[in-house]
Amino acid sequence: GAGVSQTPSNKVTEKGKYVELRCDPISGHTALYWYRQSLGQGPEFLIYFQGTGAADDSGLPNDRFFAVRPEGSVSTLKIQRTERGDSAVYLCASSIGSSYNEQFFGPGTRLTVL
Amino acid sequence: DQQVKQNSPSLSVQEGRISILNCDYTNSMFDYFLWYKKYPAEGPTFLISISSIKDKNEDGRFTVFLNKSAKHLSLHIVPSQPGDSAVYFCAASEGGADGLTFGKGTHLIIQP
Repeated sequence: GAGVSQTPSNKVTEKGKYVELRCDPISGHTALYWYRQSLGQGPEFLIYFQGTGAADDSGLPNDRFFAVRPEGSVSTLKIQRTERGDSAVYLCASSIGSSYNEQFFGPGTRLTVL
Repeated sequence: DQQVKQNSPSLSVQEGRISILNCDYTNSMFDYFLWYKKYPAEGPTFLISISSIKDKNEDGRFTVFLNKSAKHLSLHIVPSQPGDSAVYFCAASEGGADGLTFGKGTHLIIQP
């Protein structure tokens, strides 16, 4: 079956621009997560959705970052006024339920801010 | 402040031998632990998990051991195969539902 997909796979933008990153979770998975992985680090949690609502957004670094999941399926991570420090691989994951279930990751979007 | 620590950035093991990857954590509220494997340009792939009510979980060649008093877990791979060469991440969560906290990873190299 289809896994988690993310588009685009690569995004190059200029400092100060706005970007949107998309995630399509596994069909039927109610939980969706966004992570950011910088070079030499493990994935860092950003935000978690249960259905349409953000259940935990404590990992978002500042108010330039925002994510939505309007219909409880596809999610979009939005970054305003990008900075060079935002360059990283942005990973999306989904899981089938709310507790003690493994998360399935997409291939990630590599964001480069010039 | 790293709550999940993988102190070995890399590990080299001969094919057919046992690979042991270690992970330490500081947050006593963590109650669910997972290991992920990652190849270059791919997302992490789930390997095995363990809840805090257990001290061992086994799945084929992979076994995870949890020592709660030491706040330590380890992943054993036996026998090691060339396809096991990858970066392995240890991850933990509170209550199973929240975002995972990851270590920095250990690059496992299986030598022929």
